[in-house]
Amino acid sequence: DQQVKQNSPSLSVQEGRISILNCDYTNSMFDYFLWYKKYPAEGPTFLISISSIKDKNEDGRFTVFLNKSAKHLSLHIVPSQPGDSAVYFCAASALGGGTSYGKLTFGQGTILTVHP
Amino acid sequence: EAGVAQSPRYKIIEKRQSVAFWCNPISGHATLYWYQQILGQGPKLLIQFQNNGVVDDSQLPKDRFSAERLKGVDSTLKIQPAKLEDSAVYLCASSPNSGVSGSPLHFGNGTRLTVT
Repeated sequence: DQQVKQNSPSLSVQEGRISILNCDYTNSMFDYFLWYKKYPAEGPTFLISISSIKDKNEDGRFTVFLNKSAKHLSLHIVPSQPGDSAVYFCAASALGGGTSYGKLTFGQGTILTVHP
Repeated sequence: EAGVAQSPRYKIIEKRQSVAFWCNPISGHATLYWYQQILGQGPKLLIQFQNNGVVDDSQLPKDRFSAERLKGVDSTLKIQPAKLEDSAVYLCASSPNSGVSGSPLHFGNGTRLTVT
C-alpha cells in the first residue's frame, strides 16, 4: 500500500530552467509534508516543508505547493543548478498519538539531473 | 553541530549470518529512528525510539530484527539471521522531539548491507 507516490522516476532539465517534482498521497490523515534531497552515499537532507493549513511555502529557490483536494504536492526549483542534481524524496506525516506521531512515510524518489 | 554517526559504512555477509549496525544521534536529540531503504524505494521506518523507550516498531520484522537504545543515546540494530531481501541501506535518523508532527529528521549516511 503506497500511501505516498512519486510517479516520475527521473527528470532532466537544463540549467537555469524550472524543475517541477510531483508527489501524490492517499492518506487524508497526513497533515505535514516534507521534501528531502539525497546525494549518492549520503543520507537524505531536509529541504523544505509545508503544513496542511497552507498551500504554498517558499525558501529561496525552492517552493512547495500543496493541493489538499487533489492530495497532490509539488516542489519547484527556480532557477535549477547543476548542484541540484540528486534524488528528491517526498515525505508525509500524520497527527495523532501513539505510533503515528512523528513517523514519516516516504515516496519512491525522483532522480533530478540538471544539465549545464 | 556534529551529525548523526553510523558505522560501518558497508557490510557484506552471507545469508543466515548475523550483523549489527551502530548509530550515535545528534547530541540532545530525544528521538531516534531506524529506516530501511531498498534500492529504488523510499526509506521505510523500522523502529522509533523516544529516549530509551520504543514508540513504534510495527514494521520491524521481529523474528529476525532487534534494536535497542541503551541509556537513551546511541542505538544498535541487529539482524539475525539475515536473508537476501535484507540487502538495503539502513539509515539512522534523529530529531529533537517527536511531539511535533513532521519534525525534520536528521539522517546519517547509512550502512549499505549486501547479503549474498
